[in-house]
Amino acid sequence: NAGVTQTPKFRVLKTGQSMTLLCAQDMNHEYMYWYRQDPGMGLRLIHYSVGEGTTAKGEVPDGYNVSRLKKQNFLLGLESAAPSQTSVYFCASRRPGLYGYTFGSGTRLTVV
Amino acid sequence: AQTVTQSQPEMSVQEAETVTLSCTYDTSENNYYLFWYKQPPSRQMILVIRQEAYKQQNATENRFSVNFQKAAKSFSLKISDSQLGDTAMYFCAFMNIQGAQKLVFGQGTRLTINP
Repeated sequence: NAGVTQTPKFRVLKTGQSMTLLCAQDMNHEYMYWYRQDPGMGLRLIHYSVGEGTTAKGEVPDGYNVSRLKKQNFLLGLESAAPSQTSVYFCASRRPGLYGYTFGSGTRLTVV
Repeated sequence: AQTVTQSQPEMSVQEAETVTLSCTYDTSENNYYLFWYKQPPSRQMILVIRQEAYKQQNATENRFSVNFQKAAKSFSLKISDSQLGDTAMYFCAFMNIQGAQKLVFGQGTRLTINP
């Protein structure tokens, strides 16, 4: 009964490095989302997916790429990290229809 | 596009008092949901309460209730008999029932309950 699992939980990157954040859910949810949380700005949608093999841009997609090769996994990639990408990243999943979101516990990323 | 505004960055009350957090939103949609989420220092996002736009009756969950004013596009959260464990960030959020059902969040209100 893991729900939504995000790895890693913490990471420090140097400017220009790349990394991938993994989100895994075991609830067979169709929809998955990546948000970033910054002080004073709430959570903002980066990218989302409405099914295996599909992705779409959210409110703040620049500098990020995503992939949904398997239904249970949603990967968020940073090709060349910038200090502006220092943030807490949340993954969430849900079933289509009138169901709630299940959030992961977040990843704190610092880019120096 | 929908927007959600929380105009109170921080609030502080004494334990056992009642506190109201404000939220306004802007949308042209008619069918939507509104939420309040709590984020304690653990960073976990916890659903506090949900309101369906088509329902006139305000949602209530134990000590938590909302005042939903659809025409005014206002959605405030009232916490009665506040407890130390209510200390957290609170986010108001909007979800359109159509499409990908994305959540749009407000900026958040940091609530502190003092002993």
